[in-house]
Amino acid sequence: GAVVSQHPSWVICKSGTSVKIECRSLDFQATTMFWYRQFPKQSLMLMATSNEGSKATYEQGVEKDKFLINHASLTLSTLTVTSAHPEDSSFYICSAFPTRSYEQYFGPGTRLTVT
Amino acid sequence: GIQVEQSPPDLILQEGANSTLRCNFSDSVNNLQWFHQNPWGQLINLFYIPSGTKQNGRLSATTVATERYSLLYISSSQTTDSGVYFCAVEQAAGNKLTFGGGTRVLVKP
Repeated sequence: GAVVSQHPSWVICKSGTSVKIECRSLDFQATTMFWYRQFPKQSLMLMATSNEGSKATYEQGVEKDKFLINHASLTLSTLTVTSAHPEDSSFYICSAFPTRSYEQYFGPGTRLTVT
Repeated sequence: GIQVEQSPPDLILQEGANSTLRCNFSDSVNNLQWFHQNPWGQLINLFYIPSGTKQNGRLSATTVATERYSLLYISSSQTTDSGVYFCAVEQAAGNKLTFGGGTRVLVKP
């Protein structure tokens, strides 16, 4: 149990376009999900906390108008990178934890390349 | 915020060797998890271990919360153990994880 999926696995887009990444908890409900970004050979950096039915909480330095987060249901959170630029190219990973669990489980990640 | 430091940053092992990875954190925590990131980027849960000792096959972990460190032991390493090992801590229930810088492990046949 405790499986988190992401779609797409990888995406290439042109500079100036928007890209939507989905994060789903497949076998549990998650009122809270988290979005991380990882640059090559670096650690994971938390971008935002996604709360079902309310606004996301962004970490300091993360542009909320650029990285739009929507947590529309207890199993789905989406991250939209708006007006993408090459510096947004990165590996984006989401996580969630089941109710009454203290462990977080991670999706397989989405590799975004902006050309 | 809390600081999480992992050592060593890089580790090269011969297959069959044992190793110890360390995670130090600067403040008290509610939760500590160890992950293995495979070459495709997937984080695999290894241990949820805010305190005490756990074992799972060739891996074991110990957290001494009062001294603010955790250790991950890999015994009889295999090439499939290669990848990056992260520890991550949570300071309040339901809150965000702060990751250490990771230990990059390469096991040579």
